[in-house]
Amino acid sequence: DAKTTQPNSMESNEEEPVHLPCNHSTISGTDYIHWYRQLPSQGPEYVIHGLTSNVNNRMASLAIAEDRKSSTLILHRATLRDAAVYYCIHGTGTASKLTFGTGTRLQVTL
Amino acid sequence: NAGVTQTPKFQVLKTGQSMTLQCAQDMNHNSMYWYRQDPGMGLRLIYYSASEGTTDKGEVPNGYNVSRLNKREFSLRLESAAPSQTSVYFCASSELTLQVRANGYTFGSGTRLTVV
Repeated sequence: DAKTTQPNSMESNEEEPVHLPCNHSTISGTDYIHWYRQLPSQGPEYVIHGLTSNVNNRMASLAIAEDRKSSTLILHRATLRDAAVYYCIHGTGTASKLTFGTGTRLQVTL
Repeated sequence: NAGVTQTPKFQVLKTGQSMTLQCAQDMNHNSMYWYRQDPGMGLRLIYYSASEGTTDKGEVPNGYNVSRLNKREFSLRLESAAPSQTSVYFCASSELTLQVRANGYTFGSGTRLTVV
């Protein structure tokens, strides 16, 4: 199984940056690192994914360690709407290879 | 643009009853998936369809059957519901080659199923 380790929960103040860590020590050379988030009572939502280089998109940035055994999802300015469970996953990208763990529950306060 | 649409949103079944969960996507995606999520848990893959005409078992297929009716639709059937199948069911779709696509999986909003 493709296992990742994330903190169960994190807190942030609104308008501050948030760094969500993930360890994936069993990652193989061809596995991508994916991040999804799940807002309350909704299905998961794609956030970002990458292989080796750091990645940026309109939602977040993904910083990948040089040895690829860990990564960090960066929300540059947290808002109340970012309160969700964030899942870090690694796999080849096909359905059978992506395993969702329990994720990190992010709380954002005023 | 609706994305992935699941019906029904809520359902209560008695043990032994059968039902079919419907899923349709309008993004012309090749691959479709069914997941279940139990309280406080992550998602677990039940079945998937990499392309029209193919289906494969995921992590927890027992007690379920699927049909890829066409490129748009992928249904999940419970032949004889059990209380252990009480869960939230999510359908998702994606491009076939996820690695080179920017948008990952698109999930529906879920079906909350209770089996009593």
